[in-house]
Amino acid sequence: ETGVTQSPTHLIKTRGQQVTLRCSSQSGHNTVSWYQQALGQGPQFIFQYYREEENGRGNFPPRFSGLQFPNYSSELNVNALELDDSALYLCASSPGGGGYTFGSGTRLTVV
Amino acid sequence: LAKTTQPISMDSYEGQEVNITCSHNNIATNDYITWYQQFPSQGPRFIIQGYKTKVTNEVASLFIPADRKSSTLSLPRVSLSDTAVYYCLVGDDRAAGNKLTFGGGTRVLVKP
Repeated sequence: ETGVTQSPTHLIKTRGQQVTLRCSSQSGHNTVSWYQQALGQGPQFIFQYYREEENGRGNFPPRFSGLQFPNYSSELNVNALELDDSALYLCASSPGGGGYTFGSGTRLTVV
Repeated sequence: LAKTTQPISMDSYEGQEVNITCSHNNIATNDYITWYQQFPSQGPRFIIQGYKTKVTNEVASLFIPADRKSSTLSLPRVSLSDTAVYYCLVGDDRAAGNKLTFGGGTRVLVKP
């Protein structure tokens, strides 16, 4: 079982729309990261939050943004969706070392 | 961040031992070696992490030579349910701001 819960599990959006994906981490996990995984590829790092502040970002445009809340939940927001944004979006949390716990992901399809 | 190289795929049979070797020639002093397992449409699952020598847990062993430029994940007596993609990662996930960098992974197929 996993202590990280993501919602929704599946989502279909139209090109140009905006989407918000949600993640609920384990209590005490102050670090949360978001990843994008295209079909057949390894997960690609989007950004990371530590105690509600962004402290690391991958090679993704500004239309990918996030928030982390005091209750260990977080959000990934994507504006102006493009077809290439179709992927599995993964949230991972950590108490600060020793491995990350991943959620099962949100499958986003942009049409 | 240290880059990793691992085989694209491996086939095995039920009951056999599977060994996956990962190369990480430019590993830094503070870096740990971590392996994740991923099933289709699921998030990666932490398997094992080590710094040097040998680490063993209930599902796998991790062998790291003295120079730490490579590591080998050993899965004893695999079953069909071990069919998955296995990722080798190198980095210091204990440090704030450090991300996990995934490569392409090794697709392991366990046959009956």
